[in-house]
Amino acid sequence: KQEVTQIPAALSVPEGENLVLNCSFTDSAIYNLQWFRQDPGKGLTSLLLIQSSQREQTSGRLNASLDKSSGRSTLYIAASQPGDSATYLCAVDRGSTLGRLYFGRGTQLTVWP
Amino acid sequence: NAGVTQTPKFRVLKTGQSMTLLCAQDMNHEYMYWYRQDPGMGLRLIHYSVGEGTTAKGEVPDGYNVSRLKKQNFLLGLESAAPSQTSVYFCASSYSGSYNEQFFGPGTRLTVL
Repeated sequence: KQEVTQIPAALSVPEGENLVLNCSFTDSAIYNLQWFRQDPGKGLTSLLLIQSSQREQTSGRLNASLDKSSGRSTLYIAASQPGDSATYLCAVDRGSTLGRLYFGRGTQLTVWP
Repeated sequence: NAGVTQTPKFRVLKTGQSMTLLCAQDMNHEYMYWYRQDPGMGLRLIHYSVGEGTTAKGEVPDGYNVSRLKKQNFLLGLESAAPSQTSVYFCASSYSGSYNEQFFGPGTRLTVL
C-alpha cells in the first residue's frame, strides 16, 4: 500500500522567508504527484501536478520537485506572504486507470507579518 | 464554469437517518470520486466512477452507496447514518484517470449525532 508522509506537520515563519515543504512516499512506482492547498473550512485547490517523467514544475512563487527513485517531493515557496497561510497536501497517483490519489496528512503553514 | 459543486454545505443527522450528497461538475469529466477527510487521517477514497452508469468501491466504502446516472452528477448516499460517518466529504473529478489533475469541490460537513 502506498503511504504518503509530510514533514513538518506544522510550520510557522515570518513573512518574506523562503520555505520548503517535504513529501515522501513508500512506492516509487507512481504516475504523478499533485500538491494542493486547503484553506480552513474550504475545499482543495490544485497547485501543481508533476508527471512521473518530469523533475519539477513551477507556478509563480511555487516550485515543486520530484525524485521518484528516492520517493520524495518538495514544494518550495519563495518570498512567503501571510496569504500563503493554509494547509498544503501532497498526493500521489500510483498508476492505474483509476487515477486514485493517496494523500499525506498535510503541512499546516502559518506566515505571520 | 462553476467547476465542481457540492450540496449541501452542512448537514446534521441523527443516527439511523438517511441522506444524499450531490456532486455536480460542468467540465465534462469522465472520472468522479468521493473522499472523506477526518482529523489526523488524511483524505480517503470512498467510491469512484469512471464514467456514466459505472461505480466502484474505494478504500472505505462500507455504509455508503453511490450512483452516476448522468455524467455530470455523482451522488453519495448514506442509508442509515452512524456517528462514525461524521466527517467532511469531498467530491472530485478528472478528465480521465492517471496523468490528469483532479479538481475538488468545496466539501460537505456532516455531523451524525
